[in-house]
Amino acid sequence: NFILSQPHSVSESPGKTVTISCTRMRGSIDSNYVQWYQQRPGKAPTTVIYENDQRPSGVPSRFSGSIDRTSNSASLTISGLKAEDEADYYCQSFDDRSPRIFGGGTRLTVL
Amino acid sequence: EVQLVESGGGLVKPGGSLRLSCTGSGFDVAMYGMEWVRQAPGKGLEWVAYLSKSGEYKYYADSVKGRFAITRDTAKNSVSLEMSSLGVEDTAIYYCVRDRDCVGDCGFDYWGQGTLVTVSS
Repeated sequence: NFILSQPHSVSESPGKTVTISCTRMRGSIDSNYVQWYQQRPGKAPTTVIYENDQRPSGVPSRFSGSIDRTSNSASLTISGLKAEDEADYYCQSFDDRSPRIFGGGTRLTVL
Repeated sequence: EVQLVESGGGLVKPGGSLRLSCTGSGFDVAMYGMEWVRQAPGKGLEWVAYLSKSGEYKYYADSVKGRFAITRDTAKNSVSLEMSSLGVEDTAIYYCVRDRDCVGDCGFDYWGQGTLVTVSS
């Protein structure tokens, strides 16, 4: 199985922009779609990005996703940070040998 | 409105069995791939099981293979997770999730609120 590596935590001030990385260890990041899930404290996860860079309806345009083949990683960028963005964020992908793999999660603190 | 409601969680002794159910509303579970994802206390998300839209394919995480079984009841519009030989490491919130309808794999679009399974003597 491959691994998706995320930073344990990131923090930034309200109104600023933060980027959370998700590095694929073994295999190519662009061989399968990457999704991002937000989990606020005590709540079930929700999808904020699917198919690398697509936003579900209802997710603010402040959230964006991208893929970088040179670093073999995906990124979730949140601009104009708000207190409500404080949550855990998980990346997720797959391949033929690993039906579903989650990254370890990143705790976002809005200072 | 699409909703997923899990039930069946609770306290069970090591070695015991439990059956979780997930009832869908606002959509037909037979038209989507359905899965279970769990989260141990204070830990990250762990994928558990997958059932294809056709019902033909079932996949399991190595940690539960041979002990858990995912099934579907179209009459009840529900998906279940039969769990046996439970160990303390299976203690977690279990979430029912619906696959996004797309070509290939593109993640989940709806999550249930979760049901807590505690394995303890």
